[in-house]
Amino acid sequence: QVQLQESGPGLVKPSQTLSLTCTVSGGSISSGDYYWSWIRQPPGKGLEWIGYIYYSGNTYYNPSLKSRVTISVDTSKNQFSLKVRSVTAADTAVYYCARDSLKGYYGMDVWGQGTTVTVSS
Amino acid sequence: QSVLTQPPSASGTPGQRVTISCSGSRSNIGSNTVNWYQQLPGMAPKLLIYSHNQRPSGVPDRFSGSKSGTSASLAISGLQSEDEADYYCATWDDSLNGFVVFGGGTKLTVL
Repeated sequence: QVQLQESGPGLVKPSQTLSLTCTVSGGSISSGDYYWSWIRQPPGKGLEWIGYIYYSGNTYYNPSLKSRVTISVDTSKNQFSLKVRSVTAADTAVYYCARDSLKGYYGMDVWGQGTTVTVSS
Repeated sequence: QSVLTQPPSASGTPGQRVTISCSGSRSNIGSNTVNWYQQLPGMAPKLLIYSHNQRPSGVPDRFSGSKSGTSASLAISGLQSEDEADYYCATWDDSLNGFVVFGGGTKLTVL
């Protein structure tokens, strides 16, 4: 069965760039059936979709974050990555990666366990 | 302020039937399928319902979903203590270039 695992620094300084990677195991990111998502959840708050990427590199982003976010894919490593530039305390959250489908038709059916990122000096 | 509106809380006693609503607009719920997620405390969300009313393998048939116009609902029948969790609706929004939107979440308490 497919599993996802987030990795990256747990602490980022304000104004710097947050970088996370999601490693896909048990299946190929290039299968073509799925989109690969990033979602975050600030402490005590709800879920916020950041964006997703297809194995070809086609991306969709949350309009509210689009100016600061880049999602990329490395099919040779079966990984996809997230970069958030110019972070502030408001970017402190648990970051999840998940497997989705086009327009979410089949829902995000596989999730990583999440990784906590704190923005602080 | 979430694009999709859910009640912040809901409650019920064991065995009861509870419904959670999710209100949107023509560009999101009105045009696309709705998914529901369950998030137990300290855990990652789990897909509960997809495409309005489909259950992934392993999800009990106590959980059901429906959609009408620009609103959707999640119903839980035969409420159990382990159903105490946060529930989120989500769908695609066709505005701009298109993006996923979540509801603000509903905390379900089993009394």
